[in-house]
Amino acid sequence: AQTVTQSQPEMSVQEAETVTLSCTYDTSESDYYLFWYKQPPSRQMILVIRQEAYKQQNATENRFSVNFQKAAKSFSLKISDSQLGDAAMYFCAYRSASYGTASKLTFGTGTRLQVTL
Amino acid sequence: NAGVMQNPRHLVRRRGQEARLRCSPMKGHSHVYWYRQLPEEGLKFMVYLQKENIIDESGMPKERFSAEFPKEGPSILRIQQVVRGDSAAYFCASSLQGAGNQPQHFGDGTRLSIL
Repeated sequence: AQTVTQSQPEMSVQEAETVTLSCTYDTSESDYYLFWYKQPPSRQMILVIRQEAYKQQNATENRFSVNFQKAAKSFSLKISDSQLGDAAMYFCAYRSASYGTASKLTFGTGTRLQVTL
Repeated sequence: NAGVMQNPRHLVRRRGQEARLRCSPMKGHSHVYWYRQLPEEGLKFMVYLQKENIIDESGMPKERFSAEFPKEGPSILRIQQVVRGDSAAYFCASSLQGAGNQPQHFGDGTRLSIL
């Protein structure tokens, strides 16, 4: 079974600064997908960024980028130029590339990000 | 374009009652996933359904919980004889296909409180 570990329960960053959230995972599969979801106080689950394991290039979405290290099974999220609206819980998630019973998302326990002035 | 719709947003039940949570997937999506989020925890997979079929129910408790996704209408997560430990946020997600590269779009969740 796959597991996802987020070792930072809370992080804090000043507005306009950069912060990196850590995520490691364990799997025996070679093909899979990794995600970062944001959950603001409204409790919506918002997809931030996605990475395909077969791609060596790190995914980027505006101020959000990842550092994907497949051999180390590490998938960290970097938020640049942090904004007050970035304050939220951030969840790392894994999903197998297989069909059927493997298509569920496996989530980490989350990192609460505070953004200060 | 309506997203994934869940209702009710909040549901209060007394111990021993039944809770019914509804999820209407995005238009054209035939794959539905239910997740449960206990307070201060991440989301945990419960069940994966495709129209009229349960594909994977490995995360759903064997007793008191059931799920369906009929040919017509929303997906329903049903909890019978609720207990305090069922208090949680229940999220539904849908996708166009079941493949791993298809993103899952989440609803806003139903927060279930058991008195």
